[in-house]
Amino acid sequence: AQSVTQPDIHITVSEGASLELRCNYSYGATPYLFWYVQSPGQGLQLLLKYFSGDTLVQGIKGFEAEFKRSQSSFNLRKPSVHWSDAAEYFCAVGAGGTSYGKLTFGQGTILTVHP
Amino acid sequence: EAQVTQNPRYLITVTGKKLTVTCSQNMNHEYMSWYRQDPGLGLRQIYYSMNVEVTDKGDVPEGYKVSRKEKRNFPLILESPSPNQTSLYFCASSFGGGLADTQYFGPGTRLTVL
Repeated sequence: AQSVTQPDIHITVSEGASLELRCNYSYGATPYLFWYVQSPGQGLQLLLKYFSGDTLVQGIKGFEAEFKRSQSSFNLRKPSVHWSDAAEYFCAVGAGGTSYGKLTFGQGTILTVHP
Repeated sequence: EAQVTQNPRYLITVTGKKLTVTCSQNMNHEYMSWYRQDPGLGLRQIYYSMNVEVTDKGDVPEGYKVSRKEKRNFPLILESPSPNQTSLYFCASSFGGGLADTQYFGPGTRLTVL
């Protein structure tokens, strides 16, 4: 069965600083990987996803993530954080395929941005 | 506007009092799903539905029921709620259910069972 670990429960950065959120997954085959963001009081919004091909994927809001098979990681990065990026971030791994895909979510990382 | 709606957004109830949380999507999606979110556990899938009259258990189905009589609606039923079902619930939908299909999430329903 697949699993996802987000080692950092809470991260605090200053506005304008760079950001990296860690995600490690466990899955026997080639994984489908996702990052979602949840702003306070809102549902989850998809930031980016990786299925195959280029291991560096670009997403919305200036985020990117890099798939590293050797490290079983899919870390999320942003070069310069804005105050509006304060939210909770979830990494997810998908198993299955074209007919039905099950998502397994990590525990989430809460991002606080200081002015 | 394409969206997933949930009602109510907040609910406080007592143990044993049956309740229903509604979920509706206006995107003609075939796949719908319910998750619960608990601190430190992320989101866990309760039930999902691949189409009308087709539902199946997720990871944590105990204490919940669902039905899918219409394509757009996927209500979550708690027939006898207990305090351990206090949680934040999300409904989601996608076009076909495959991993290539983006899941759209509703705004969430915060349930407290006393």
